Order: sequence, then C-alpha cells, then structure tokens
Amino acid sequence: QVHLQESGPGLVKSSEILSLTCSVSGGSLRSYYWSWIRQPPGKGLDWLGCIYYDGSTHYKPSLESRLTMSVDTSKNHFSLRLSSVTAADTAMYYCARGGDRWGSIDDWGQGTLVTVSS
Amino acid sequence: QSVLTQPPSASGTPGQRVIISCSGSKSNIGNNYVYWYQQFPGTAPKVLISKNNQRPSGVPDRFSGSKSGTSASLAISGLRSEDEADYYCAGWDDSLSGWVFGGGTKLTVL
Repeated sequence: QVHLQESGPGLVKSSEILSLTCSVSGGSLRSYYWSWIRQPPGKGLDWLGCIYYDGSTHYKPSLESRLTMSVDTSKNHFSLRLSSVTAADTAMYYCARGGDRWGSIDDWGQGTLVTVSS
Repeated sequence: QSVLTQPPSASGTPGQRVIISCSGSKSNIGNNYVYWYQQFPGTAPKVLISKNNQRPSGVPDRFSGSKSGTSASLAISGLRSEDEADYYCAGWDDSLSGWVFGGGTKLTVL
C-alpha cells in the first residue's frame, strides 16, 4: 500500500491557477495510473482526470480546456494545474492511485482543501 | 447531476440488511466494472467493493456487491453503528473516457 500526500496553496484567487502536487512514497509511479478527484464542501466526489507514469492522460471532458496534469518519476510525484479558477473550484482535492478502465482507484491521499477567493 | 444515480439517503437499525442501489447506463455500469467507496466525515474515501463484487483485504464480509445490466447494488448485512457513512458507486464510462461517481448515499443507523 502506497502513501500519497497532497501539497499546495490552500487559497487561490479567482481567475488564477490552482497547482497541487501529490508525493508518492512506499511505491513507484511506474505501471500505474494516478488520479485527481475533488469534493466540494458537503457534496459528492468528482473525478478530474488521471495520468499514466509515461505522461499519457485522460481528462474529464468538461475540464479539459483548463486542466493539465504532469508526472515526474524521478521525484516520484505527479501534479495538477487548473487554470481560470472560480468559486466553483473550491473543494477538497484528493490524489489517488488508479483511474484507468480496468483497475480500482484504491489508495488515496488525505486530501487538501483549496479555497478560491474573489 | 451525477452520471450514476444513487438514493441520497438510506437507513436501517442495527442487525438489519440494507441495500444501496446505483443506476447507470450501457456506457458505464453496463460495460465496465463497478466500485463502491465508503467515506466517513473528514476522511478520504476507502474502496469497499472492487470489480463489481470483490472485497479488498480487510473489508468485512458483511459488505457485498452485485451488478445486473446497467444497475449495481451494495448490500450491508448485520448493520452496525460504525457503518454510518457516505457510500459512493463509481466506475469507468466509455463515452466520457473517464471515471464517474454516483452522487453518494448517506447511510444512517437508527
């Protein structure tokens, strides 16, 4: 079981870029997909997208124009950038292992709350 | 509006059996695996059922999953107070080429 830890600013201004990194320990990024999932306060889970260790990605179609994911196998971490944020992007952001068609999203980070302020 | 439809709430008394439903379509449940997650307030979700009906190590056999056509169900037997949590169904959607989640069901143990 790997350990995932999200890091990044907890407060982002409206129209700016939200950037988060997920550090993975206890295992390699290789041979897995890695996902970002968010949960607005009091609401349900929302899958944003995933990235394979080779850099290939699947993004949620409605976010594709604002979303960029990247992976750094040398540092064993992967990252999320969401541009032009609004209050609707305020949420707990989780990173997790998995996200392809054939496997579970199993190990999750503890999550980090990102608030978008005007 | 979630792609997968769950009842917003469910309830039962200790010892009872509770079933939570999840309705989808051919592009998600009908053609792919279903997963169930349990989430307690302030914590990350935990996978409860994998690939329709498989329990990961450590998940009690009181929890079981099933799938038929474009619907899936999570059954919890011998309900306990510690089962009070939010439950989400999820899985891959071919049309969206990504994962989708149900809206979640809040389970209350009376």
